[in-house]
Amino acid sequence: QKEVEQNSGPLSVPEGAIASLNCTYSDRGSQSFFWYRQYSGKSPELIMFIYSNGDKEDGRFTAQLNKASQYVSLLIRDSQPSDSATYLCAVNMFGNEKLTFGTGTRLTIIP
Amino acid sequence: SQTIHQWPATLVQPVGSPLSLECTVEGTSNPNLYWYRQAAGRGLQLLFYSVGIGQISSEVPQNLSASRPQDRQFILSSKKLLLSDSGFYLCAWTGMYGYTFGSGTRLTVV
Repeated sequence: QKEVEQNSGPLSVPEGAIASLNCTYSDRGSQSFFWYRQYSGKSPELIMFIYSNGDKEDGRFTAQLNKASQYVSLLIRDSQPSDSATYLCAVNMFGNEKLTFGTGTRLTIIP
Repeated sequence: SQTIHQWPATLVQPVGSPLSLECTVEGTSNPNLYWYRQAAGRGLQLLFYSVGIGQISSEVPQNLSASRPQDRQFILSSKKLLLSDSGFYLCAWTGMYGYTFGSGTRLTVV
């Protein structure tokens, strides 16, 4: 079983709609959760992180964490063509700075 | 502010040739440093990490090695490259909130 799983996509969303990206993880000891955006040919950049159950909002982005169900999601409201990228979910465990990454979901925003 | 530099940006090397990729961090001291590889269409694979000068942990057995000769310098090396070493190599350091990645080196072994 993969430690961090994401649907590889591609996920196509019309411009202006909400894009929903999901990630599940296997280790219940996981403590911190991160979403990275990676444009083609570029390095990943951090979008959001979340530590506690519930929602965390930052602009058009909302991260949602449910530790009981072991999933974390990223919602992108008012999707823009510039949001087209691969989104990587990453997880680490308490006391361990090493991040384990999912394989990413490729998101395409259709104008 | 903290910045991370990685070079070269692209590299084409023949099979059997040596490799040296360098990563340096500015604006912080004693950072934890990481080397990741991303093969085409695949996820990020942790290769090495370092918590201090001369301290290297290897995650995946392979023909690559890493060294940390200075506090803010991390080097990835190989004596003889294989075709399977092709990929996008990323250096990263951990700040308060997750990793910050360098701009990456795209290595093509021919």
